[in-house]
Amino acid sequence: DVKVTQSSRYLVKRTGEKVFLECVQDMDHENMFWYRQDPGLGLRLIYFSYDVKMKEKGDIPEGYSVSREKKERFSLILESASTNQTSMYLCASSRQGWGTNQPQHFGDGTRLSIL
Amino acid sequence: KNQVEQSPQSLIILEGKNCTLQCNYTVSPFSNLRWYKQDTGRGPVSLTIMTFSENTKSNGRYTATLDADTKQSSLHITASQLSDSASYICVVTSSGTYKYIFGTGTRLKVLA
Repeated sequence: DVKVTQSSRYLVKRTGEKVFLECVQDMDHENMFWYRQDPGLGLRLIYFSYDVKMKEKGDIPEGYSVSREKKERFSLILESASTNQTSMYLCASSRQGWGTNQPQHFGDGTRLSIL
Repeated sequence: KNQVEQSPQSLIILEGKNCTLQCNYTVSPFSNLRWYKQDTGRGPVSLTIMTFSENTKSNGRYTATLDADTKQSSLHITASQLSDSASYICVVTSSGTYKYIFGTGTRLKVLA
């Protein structure tokens, strides 16, 4: 079974802090994604990566950056956390190819609160 | 604008009953449509993926249908169980892009 592991289930940080969210997948997937999920909204793509050191902005990249130094690990960075970044963050991975029949495999999420 | 709309927003049914969830989309060009189940506090899990040429796909008690002409899909759950209580999310992908367009989900509660 594919396993996508997010480093923290719950995280509380203060405004202005630099926050790191880590995600690791164990199936050698090329694609990795970071989403945020807010009540009443569908999942929104922050960034994705299709290869090591490669990244593309999603729909809401402002205030975030990412790092993919190794194939299995994809990190989301909040440069200076703000209260409007309080949310559930979901990491996903999938095999190579866009719009293919490959499913996305999700981690269980990190619920981040910014005080 | 590419959109995915799901209905109803929430649904309560008794254990053992059937139910149908709806998904309408305006994504173009269309590649495939997916249904995910998301338990509370967990990440979404894939139930089915259907391409343009498929109009029915089953996964146990879950059966998804797709009408690419009317751009509608449904997820039918047969003989519901308490463990079916979850959010069900419809996702449409667009050809040749990385875009996965997510609906806001239907929250299903199954009561004993």
